[in-house]
Amino acid sequence: KAGVTQTPRYLIKTRGQQVTLSCSPISGHRSVSWYQQTPGQGLQFLFEYFSETQRNKGNFPGRFSGRQFSNSRSEMNVSTLELGDSALYLCASSPGQVNTGELFFGEGSRLTVL
Amino acid sequence: AQSVTQLGSHVSVSEGALVLLRCNYSSSVPPYLFWYVQYPNQGLQLLLKYTSAATLVKGINGFEAEFKKSETSFHLTKPSAHMSDAAEYFCAVSDREAGGGNKLTFGTGTQLKVEL
Repeated sequence: KAGVTQTPRYLIKTRGQQVTLSCSPISGHRSVSWYQQTPGQGLQFLFEYFSETQRNKGNFPGRFSGRQFSNSRSEMNVSTLELGDSALYLCASSPGQVNTGELFFGEGSRLTVL
Repeated sequence: AQSVTQLGSHVSVSEGALVLLRCNYSSSVPPYLFWYVQYPNQGLQLLLKYTSAATLVKGINGFEAEFKKSETSFHLTKPSAHMSDAAEYFCAVSDREAGGGNKLTFGTGTQLKVEL
């Protein structure tokens, strides 16, 4: 069974640009969560989607958005990039509706903002 | 808000020695607790989880953790460290909300170094 796939793995953008990151969950998983990992702030929850609906949202500005498609694949978008958005963005999938906290993580998309 | 505190950002042990990574939680009700491991340039992998079924939880790779409500702790241990255990370890907590999703709050992580 294929794991969580994130694309692209690495990308470089400049301030003011926008970026879209993609995540394909494990087959059959309906929940997709996104986390930001930085040396200074650690791992922070961005949002979670289940059956195309945002179920939870972290404390990030509106520049950070996401969506989930009918096949459970998810994208997150960051607009008007700032230097502080440089981070590893991790996607995680989970099988079902119940809050198990058992997440299966992808290897991440490493974003560098210059 | 729920939170976890990991004591010691870096821990160094000798191969074959006991591994002890500390985690304390802050929650008004018993939460779900987790330990995740992250190897270099990889995502996180679940080691073990506590969901109230048993206070001593066994995970993968020989790790285990004990939930102690009186101490609000969930420390991770392994009797004998192996070189392959070198990684960063994260303690995490989530709300016990029914159908509340998978929002985890992570600790700041502990980098484990294993020396020969």
